[in-house]
Amino acid sequence: KAGVTQTPRYLIKTRGQQVTLSCSPISGHRSVSWYQQTPGQGLQFLFEYFSETQRNKGNFPGRFSGRQFSNSRSEMNVSTLELGDSALYLCASSLVGVAHTDTQYFGPGTRLTVL
Amino acid sequence: LAKTTQPISMDSYEGQEVNITCSHNNIATNDYITWYQQFPSQGPRFIIQGYKTKVTNEVASLFIPADRKSSTLSLPRVSLSDTAVYYCLVGDHSNNAGNMLTFGGGTRLMVKP
Repeated sequence: KAGVTQTPRYLIKTRGQQVTLSCSPISGHRSVSWYQQTPGQGLQFLFEYFSETQRNKGNFPGRFSGRQFSNSRSEMNVSTLELGDSALYLCASSLVGVAHTDTQYFGPGTRLTVL
Repeated sequence: LAKTTQPISMDSYEGQEVNITCSHNNIATNDYITWYQQFPSQGPRFIIQGYKTKVTNEVASLFIPADRKSSTLSLPRVSLSDTAVYYCLVGDHSNNAGNMLTFGGGTRLMVKP
């Protein structure tokens, strides 16, 4: 069974630009969550999508948004990039998305660098 | 959400047993304890989960005392490939809790030859 895939793996952007990251969950998984990982703040939850609806949201500004398609694939978008958005963005999928019941499988991440 | 406290780092040698303790003094009745492992530039990987007493799988054991205010992840006979960051997470097991994992700082384990 293929794991969670994320594209692209590496990305370099400049301040003010926008970026779209993609996540393909494990086949059959309906929940997709996004996390940001930085050396200073660690792993932080961004949002979760289930059946094309945002179900949970972390404490991030509105510049961070996402969506989920009918095949459960998800995208996240960051607009007006800032230097502090440089991070590893991780996507996790699970069957139905119950945090401590349903094992979450993480992808390899997208390393975003903002110059 | 229950806050967790773990040692920032630990060193060990190949072949030794490693025990990483996590403190979660305000754990709630519905909370479960889950441990994840993360290698550099990779996403976290689920290791083990438990509610009380002892849980064992092919990778690790999880010991949880009766008061559940702490838990200990035990890795038997570690190898160099076990060098990673280990995260202890505590959260609600119920369906209405949503799917948000709260990661703390984790414990950076260094296994030496």
